[in-house]
Amino acid sequence: LAKTTQPISMDSYEGQEVNITCSHNNIATNDYITWYQQFPSQGPRFIIQGYKTKVTNEVASLFIPADRKSSTLSLPRVSLSDTAVYYCLVGDGSGNTGKLIFGQGTTLQVKP
Amino acid sequence: GAVVSQHPSWVICKSGTSVKIECRSLDFQATTMFWYRQFPKQSLMLMATSNEGSKATYEQGVEKDKFLINHASLTLSTLTVTSAHPEDSSFYICSARREVEETQYFGPGTRLLVL
Repeated sequence: LAKTTQPISMDSYEGQEVNITCSHNNIATNDYITWYQQFPSQGPRFIIQGYKTKVTNEVASLFIPADRKSSTLSLPRVSLSDTAVYYCLVGDGSGNTGKLIFGQGTTLQVKP
Repeated sequence: GAVVSQHPSWVICKSGTSVKIECRSLDFQATTMFWYRQFPKQSLMLMATSNEGSKATYEQGVEKDKFLINHASLTLSTLTVTSAHPEDSSFYICSARREVEETQYFGPGTRLLVL
């Protein structure tokens, strides 16, 4: 399974756009890129998933360059409630076992 | 859609007893479910892959006789911690794989405290 690398922590202020970049140099051809958000004492919550180029939903955008060796999660205009740990994972594609191996994640602290 | 529940949300038990945790996919069927464990300030650690109708696949270092997994239906997987000890105290989280999206959805977690 491909390993991911993210910054351990990031700080931001309310109303700012936050971009979290994840490196996954060994991503396989059939791997998807998925981001989750986790609050303390809760299970991870699905944010967004993509394979290539750009994906956007109601909460975030995911930018994936052509070589797919990295990806960037973009959170527009964050609020205090976006303070959480964000995990980038690769895998779960067709033909895979479906296993996801969690890295350390990025702890985002949003300040007023 | 894509809701996964766990029961109980928290449990306290005495050392030596067994505890069963249920994981249900409420609005989709899941051939594959996963069990994770998370210690304070740490990331999720995959324990095992639960396959409907077949034996679970355990990650290296996870004792299959201690953590019994049963995936009897397409919406239910159970994790039984047998002869629990204080070091088994942790946050246990399950996920269910929604095949059509090839995406895992996670339950809210179960806090286990072994006294």
